[in-house]
Amino acid sequence: LAKTTQPISMDSYEGQEVNITCSHNNIATNDYITWYQQFPSQGPRFIIQGYKTKVTNEVASLFIPADRKSSTLSLPRVSLSDTAVYYCLVGEMEDSGAGSYQLTFGKGTKLSVIP
Amino acid sequence: KAGVTQTPRYLIKTRGQQVTLSCSPISGHRSVSWYQQTPGQGLQFLFEYFSETQRNKGNFPGRFSGRQFSNSRSEMNVSTLELGDSALYLCASNKNVDRADEQYFGPGTRLTVT
Repeated sequence: LAKTTQPISMDSYEGQEVNITCSHNNIATNDYITWYQQFPSQGPRFIIQGYKTKVTNEVASLFIPADRKSSTLSLPRVSLSDTAVYYCLVGEMEDSGAGSYQLTFGKGTKLSVIP
Repeated sequence: KAGVTQTPRYLIKTRGQQVTLSCSPISGHRSVSWYQQTPGQGLQFLFEYFSETQRNKGNFPGRFSGRQFSNSRSEMNVSTLELGDSALYLCASNKNVDRADEQYFGPGTRLTVT
């Protein structure tokens, strides 16, 4: 099972760029890297997903080095509403041919945005 | 497009009772997964269903079971409730079965066992 390691918590001031790095040394060839955001008492929400190099969408960027053993979620100009827990996940595929998989969530990184 | 819905949103049960939680996935999504979230253990995978078949199961005792209906709606059941079963139970649906694609999570059911 691919295991992920992220910082437990981070603080940032409003308007700053936040980078959260995740380590996944045992990532498999077929695994994708996905980040989710979760607010208290809500289900996680998909932020971004990538396989290699760089991916950017309207809310974040994801940087993945060539060896894919780590990834960095970049949130530009954070606001108070970005205060949440951020999870880095590595997709695990069962070799059943049926596309079955499960997501393994780590402890996540609790980001606190300070005014 | 309606999101994933879960009912009930809150539930209080007594130790030893059983409980059934319901999840309606996004229209067109055929895969439904269940997760348990507690402050101590975080988010833990329970099981995944696709086309009414359980395809994957996490490391939970047999008291936790589930099923999926032909319309992709899913239920999970917990029998002989224990205090430690108090948690937020999350359901997620997914449309792509080829890889770990985006999962859409519902708001969860908050279960309290007293």
